[in-house]
Amino acid sequence: KQEVTQIPAALSVPEGENLVLNCSFTDSAIYNLQWFRQDPGKGLTSLLLIQSSQREQTSGRLNASLDKSSGRSTLYIAASQPGDSATYLCAVGPRNQGGKLIFGQGTELSVKP
Amino acid sequence: GAGVSQTPSNKVTEKGKYVELRCDPISGHTALYWYRQSLGQGPEFLIYFQGTGAADDSGLPNDRFFAVRPEGSVSTLKIQRTERGDSAVYLCASSLIGSSGPYNEQFFGPGTRLTVL
Repeated sequence: KQEVTQIPAALSVPEGENLVLNCSFTDSAIYNLQWFRQDPGKGLTSLLLIQSSQREQTSGRLNASLDKSSGRSTLYIAASQPGDSATYLCAVGPRNQGGKLIFGQGTELSVKP
Repeated sequence: GAGVSQTPSNKVTEKGKYVELRCDPISGHTALYWYRQSLGQGPEFLIYFQGTGAADDSGLPNDRFFAVRPEGSVSTLKIQRTERGDSAVYLCASSLIGSSGPYNEQFFGPGTRLTVL
């Protein structure tokens, strides 16, 4: 059974720091991995999608990497800003399971001015 | 609309009542997913539609939960005889289906917060 773990559960950093959020999964038979952002009381906003054949994806200050063989992904946020404060969720799409996503519990990020 | 919409945004009901939650996916998205998110947890998969049919309903917790998508667009999640444990945020997502299958980026709606008293 696929399990997704995100460490740490919460993280507080001063503005301007570069930071890394970690995601690990137990079964490497995945089709893709997606990172989301969730603001309090809101839905999920898609940040980056990495297909299993890719190693990384970049969007602005965000860079996500995927190492399928070790079951790990990282989300790198450069030059963090207070507006980056949110919960970041990692989700994997298991192969041959119709596109559903298996989520981690999220990392709650707080960027202090 | 530009994104996935869900109604109502909040629903408060009493134990034992019946509720319906609606999802309007992004126009042209054939795949539609329902997830449930409890406080402090990541979303959990409930059911996946490809077109009008439920391709995977393995995440539905029991037979009190049912979902339909009769015309392949709007979907309704139906919960009978609600229980306090059903209280959660119910999220809907949609995506395109490509040549390799339903493995494209999923776009989520704002969710419906269900509270069962």
